[in-house]
Amino acid sequence: DTGVSQNPRHKITKRGQNVTFRCDPISEHNRLYWYRQTLGQGPEFLTYFQNEAQLEKSRLLSDRFSAERPKGSFSTLEIQRTEQGDSAMYLCASSPWTDTEAFFGQGTRLTVV
Amino acid sequence: RKEVEQDPGPFNVPEGATVAFNCTYSNSASQSFFWYRQDCRKEPKLLMSVYSSGNEDGRFTAQLNRASQYISLLIRDSKLSDSATYLCVGFTGGGNKLTFGTGTQLKVEL
Repeated sequence: DTGVSQNPRHKITKRGQNVTFRCDPISEHNRLYWYRQTLGQGPEFLTYFQNEAQLEKSRLLSDRFSAERPKGSFSTLEIQRTEQGDSAMYLCASSPWTDTEAFFGQGTRLTVV
Repeated sequence: RKEVEQDPGPFNVPEGATVAFNCTYSNSASQSFFWYRQDCRKEPKLLMSVYSSGNEDGRFTAQLNRASQYISLLIRDSKLSDSATYLCVGFTGGGNKLTFGTGTQLKVEL
């Protein structure tokens, strides 16, 4: 499968715990995006990478959120001290370069209880 | 004002109908636009890119009006399988960030 891959697909965690999600983009795609989506809303931009450089972070991304793409390939999104309001679908997308369409992974559905 | 705005619907139409969605964007510098389709609890999937000259893919036609800053999607001869949420997407922030509208829900009925 050469598409965008996200793991895990589902995560249930207790409030206050830390969670980490992984995204493997399409090979040789330079751009990698993270989005968060809640029911009835479109995906909300969180952050994006150009190769290993994190070029923009949304104000939605509080200090509890951090993302990395250490070698310009896969990326991780970590949420520390999770809150119930963090419950959402976390989507990763990649694209070959700027101004082109992005391709999404199947997402990680986070439930904070 | 949101950077990309859509009517959330739902649009309930009979099978075979023609339906049109509009989307407006606030940043006149935005260059590239797309329509994505999203099925319930699935990831968004690219439906088509939107070009200034307009483009067609089978029953789907997309148009971009830069003067009025809106994008449209026309679906002809609607099928039951077209039922989904349609997301209008544009590059904002100098071409760096893909920004999504809230999506328009379409329900095609018998």
